[in-house]
Amino acid sequence: EADIYQTPRYLVIGTGKKITLECSQTMGHDKMYWYQQDPGMELHLIHYSYGVNSTEKGDLSSESTVSRIRTEHFPLTLESARPSHTSQYLCASSGRGAMVFEQFFGPGTRLTVL
Amino acid sequence: SQKIEQNSEALNIQEGKTATLTCNYTNYSPAYLQWYRQDPGRGPVFLLLIRENEKEKRKERLKVTFDTTLKQSLFHITASQPADSATYLCALERDDKIIFGKGTRLHILP
Repeated sequence: EADIYQTPRYLVIGTGKKITLECSQTMGHDKMYWYQQDPGMELHLIHYSYGVNSTEKGDLSSESTVSRIRTEHFPLTLESARPSHTSQYLCASSGRGAMVFEQFFGPGTRLTVL
Repeated sequence: SQKIEQNSEALNIQEGKTATLTCNYTNYSPAYLQWYRQDPGRGPVFLLLIRENEKEKRKERLKVTFDTTLKQSLFHITASQPADSATYLCALERDDKIIFGKGTRLHILP
């Protein structure tokens, strides 16, 4: 079991609300990622970070923002949720040395915006 | 742009047989390729990585091949079990990031 945690696991929220999805890992990994995945579809990278104070946008355009103030913490924020944001959000991290390429995933947050 | 193709249809295999999943890619030559397993409602779990200079990699009942000329990887599960039923994702390295395919749903029938 990977040491990467996401909260909440499920979130149902109304349009226009601000939300923050939490992601933490205890493996000391420098690299962290946020993916968005709709049912039966591929994972799309929306944000990534190579270390503290480093954040980049991924391949899929997203209205969300991220921050990386501490190595272990990589929260994702939606300032104003919309129904089009309904999806599963998966956080991942990867480390150094022999395991540098393997990505460890959290359990995901299933977001529903009404 | 880079494209990863995996069997779009679900694959049904009788228990005990070998399941073979295919991953084809275009427009890129990755330094390595990975396979992940994903169960419903959960995040993917890493299974195997194979580098461009490796033809084959094994781990217990799993075997992966990587043909950089054909731009194809094959993922085999021998002596398949109902517990192997899941979606299997192929993933390629690109610019220090990972690009995932849609995955193939595998059902092992008892």
